[in-house]
Amino acid sequence: GNSVTQMEGPVTLSEEAFLTINCTYTATGYPSLFWYVQYPGEGLQLLLKATKADDKGSNKGFEATYRKETTSFHLEKGSVQVSDSAVYFCALSGDSGYSTLTFGKGTMLLVS
Amino acid sequence: DTGVSQDPRHKITKRGQNVTFRCDPISEHNRLYWYRQTLGQGPEFLTYFQNEAQLEKSRLLSDRFSAERPKGSFSTLEIQRTEQGDSAMYLCASSLRLADNEQFFGPGTRLTVL
Repeated sequence: GNSVTQMEGPVTLSEEAFLTINCTYTATGYPSLFWYVQYPGEGLQLLLKATKADDKGSNKGFEATYRKETTSFHLEKGSVQVSDSAVYFCALSGDSGYSTLTFGKGTMLLVS
Repeated sequence: DTGVSQDPRHKITKRGQNVTFRCDPISEHNRLYWYRQTLGQGPEFLTYFQNEAQLEKSRLLSDRFSAERPKGSFSTLEIQRTEQGDSAMYLCASSLRLADNEQFFGPGTRLTVL
């Protein structure tokens, strides 16, 4: 079945540091890949997505590239801010039109 | 566009009681999903509807759980005879069929079973 593995947190960074959160996946076919963010006390928000190999999703300074050869979708940001402190979830959706989302366990990011 | 809403936001109940949660999706979205999230974990799929039809149910959805979407608009999730293990955040999401399954989430209902 489908699965997503994320690096464990918390990830603790100083403001303006470079961020990488690793995400690898197992799925058949060509899934769509997503990063969701959950700020304290709020619901899940879609951060970015990529629907085919070599696509790069980007939003709010965050980027992730769909790498089929390494089955990865690592999240990066060049300079984090305190306001980026949140829990980040990597997720995939199978390539059937009716698939649900499979999430990783989430990675907490703390920026001070 | 008011987003996905869920009611109540918090529910505390005693073991053995029944509870019901409501989800109102984004108005033009025909797909509606329920997920459960426990502390330190990502959301896990429970069930999903396309319009009023319940198309898929996870094995996590025991016989005590039932979900409906009577007119293809709002949905309810009922848990009968609650157990302490049912304590979790229950999330609802909606999507358009042709939008690569991008799902929009509500704020969730936090259930605590004493």
